[in-house]
Amino acid sequence: GQNIDQPTEMTATEGAIVQINCTYQTSGFNGLFWYQQHAGEAPTFLSYNVLDGLEEKGRFSSFLSRSKGYSYLLLKELQMKDSASYLCAVRPGGFKTIFGAGTRLFVKA
Amino acid sequence: DSGVTQTPKHLITATGQRVTLRCSPRSGDLSVYWYQQSLDQGLQFLIHYYNGEERAKGNILERFSAQQFPDLHSELNLSSLELGDSALYFCASSVVMSGGVTDTQYFGPGTRLTVL
Repeated sequence: GQNIDQPTEMTATEGAIVQINCTYQTSGFNGLFWYQQHAGEAPTFLSYNVLDGLEEKGRFSSFLSRSKGYSYLLLKELQMKDSASYLCAVRPGGFKTIFGAGTRLFVKA
Repeated sequence: DSGVTQTPKHLITATGQRVTLRCSPRSGDLSVYWYQQSLDQGLQFLIHYYNGEERAKGNILERFSAQQFPDLHSELNLSSLELGDSALYFCASSVVMSGGVTDTQYFGPGTRLTVL
């Protein structure tokens, strides 16, 4: 079957760095996406990885290891507005996208 | 603003009824996806259309159906509604369907369906 695992909740302090992990077991692999979703709002695209390594985009970075079925999203210089759910999604091939249940991040002052 | 529009924003209806949710993709996007998100749950993929043709089905109930029209807008029809169908329904669009960064999905604001 297809499975994506993420921690349910994390708490971090404003100004700190947090790493949100994602492991996946899918029948194939054709890319991994990270989305941010504030409560009651639409998910918004953060990053895309298809090759092993680190992709950096401002305060956000995403890492992928295809051999380990593992990715992480790194958020630096945390701000209160970063409090949201972070969704890991894998494109296993074909036309489906499998989303993880999301990690709810709480940023405290 | 992602450029994807969905109407209505909110919908309240009764069990047994039928509703239609509408989605207009970003200009130039040929792929439309529908997702259901129940309270405190992840996004559940329902169905994908590319340029008017159904390309993939997820965990979509037989009571639900969808279509994509020649102008590329899409509609999701939900019938014989049950209390458990109450959820946020998101539509997303992307340029292509074949994978890669151009397959990034951009989400509309969602339709919140409440079945009483």
